[in-house]
Amino acid sequence: ETGVTQTPRHLVMGMTNKKSLKCEQHLGHNAMYWYKQSAKKPLELMFVYSLEERVENNSVPSRFSPECPNSSHLFLHLHTLQPEDSALYLCASSQDSAAYNEQFFGPGTRLTVL
Amino acid sequence: QQQVKQSPQSLIVQKGGISIINCAYENTAFDYFPWYQQFPGKGPALLIAIRPDVSEKKEGRFTISFNKSAKQFSLHIMDSQPGDSATYFCAASNYQLIWGAGTKLIIKP
Repeated sequence: ETGVTQTPRHLVMGMTNKKSLKCEQHLGHNAMYWYKQSAKKPLELMFVYSLEERVENNSVPSRFSPECPNSSHLFLHLHTLQPEDSALYLCASSQDSAAYNEQFFGPGTRLTVL
Repeated sequence: QQQVKQSPQSLIVQKGGISIINCAYENTAFDYFPWYQQFPGKGPALLIAIRPDVSEKKEGRFTISFNKSAKQFSLHIMDSQPGDSATYFCAASNYQLIWGAGTKLIIKP
């Protein structure tokens, strides 16, 4: 595997389910990100991790819970989501969390909340 | 003040034509302006980026023009090809990337 991988690619869940999104980067980077992408809207930065420590949390509801067990893996735990949470969730990584570093994105997980 | 406004939302250009996408910002502290390209089913990928100390940067058929006084920057794609059909995002940052809403570009053969 190369680059940034995300699993699953598609996920359908009910509002009472608990699920997790997984991201893995094979680039040796120290920073990882979760973004939410909705149609015709700017990418919304959700969380930033640098060296496994959370450095940014952009007022994301507590029903989204990130976890970064090591510099290569990032999870987004989901529980009691709302239909408006349906979106493409993108994971990215960069050399470090400085904004001028190129971010490398995975293909995303398309989430549908029923 | 943290917004980046991108236009147009969608754009159709004939093959061989010039595609132009514009972005505007308010925060004068922004000092890095990248453009990302996203194909269907893929995540965005960095296309080209500029710092405010230059007014233009060219890489192949892709050029960023930067107007610091107007707080605007634009992406020009020369000799547009069907393979350029994608969604393009501008962004700006000082400590965190702020993204535009994207432009869906279609190049007609």
